Amino acid sequence: EAGVTQSPTHLIKTRGQQATLRCSPISGHTSVYWYQQALGLGLQFLLWYDEGEERNRGNFPPRFSGRQFPNYSSELNVNALELEDSALYLCARSLVEVICPQHFGEGTRLSIL
Amino acid sequence: ELKVEQNPLFLSMQEGKNYTIYCNYSTTSDRLYWYRQDPGKSLESLFVLLSNGAVKQEGRLMASLDTKARLSTLHITAAVHDLSATYFCAVDPYGGSQGNLIFGKGTKLSVKP
Repeated sequence: EAGVTQSPTHLIKTRGQQATLRCSPISGHTSVYWYQQALGLGLQFLLWYDEGEERNRGNFPPRFSGRQFPNYSSELNVNALELEDSALYLCARSLVEVICPQHFGEGTRLSIL
Repeated sequence: ELKVEQNPLFLSMQEGKNYTIYCNYSTTSDRLYWYRQDPGKSLESLFVLLSNGAVKQEGRLMASLDTKARLSTLHITAAVHDLSATYFCAVDPYGGSQGNLIFGKGTKLSVKP
């Protein structure tokens, strides 16, 4: 099965900067989910996009935003970076979100200095 | 508040031994997911349990679901070193309508010779 591709693999930023993370589509997968995996906190749901629209967001401030393009690829943008934003950001896809397990990409490791 | 609690959080086993990881959740959910994560890697889907009493087995791993008790177990039989990883359970209390899974904090399993 084709995997979910994320880029970049690693990203180093400083406080106050902006970061853009990308997730590539799988043919037929219209939904994309973003999760944050911070050390000691487990996976936290960030955003859900489907058919180009934001369907739901988790308990994160507005400086976390994203979008989904017509080809179903997606970007996650984080503005005004803070030290606690350091985490692994995972993108997941699901063809049929009701019963299909969400398939995760390898993630982008974001480090804030 | 929705909670998914796994125990133990850390588990050190000897090869050949059996053990069970427990996943309790605080809200109604008729589907439960188990994932495996190797260090520095993404999440790999192991099992999707869709109904009360569901049992699934793959190799040395067997997962079960009791929706009335809000409990899932992941049983490891005759552990081998290759099973060393972090195991997450996750629930979808919204039936797919919200797009997000609620994850436990994970159980870090270390299998020693």
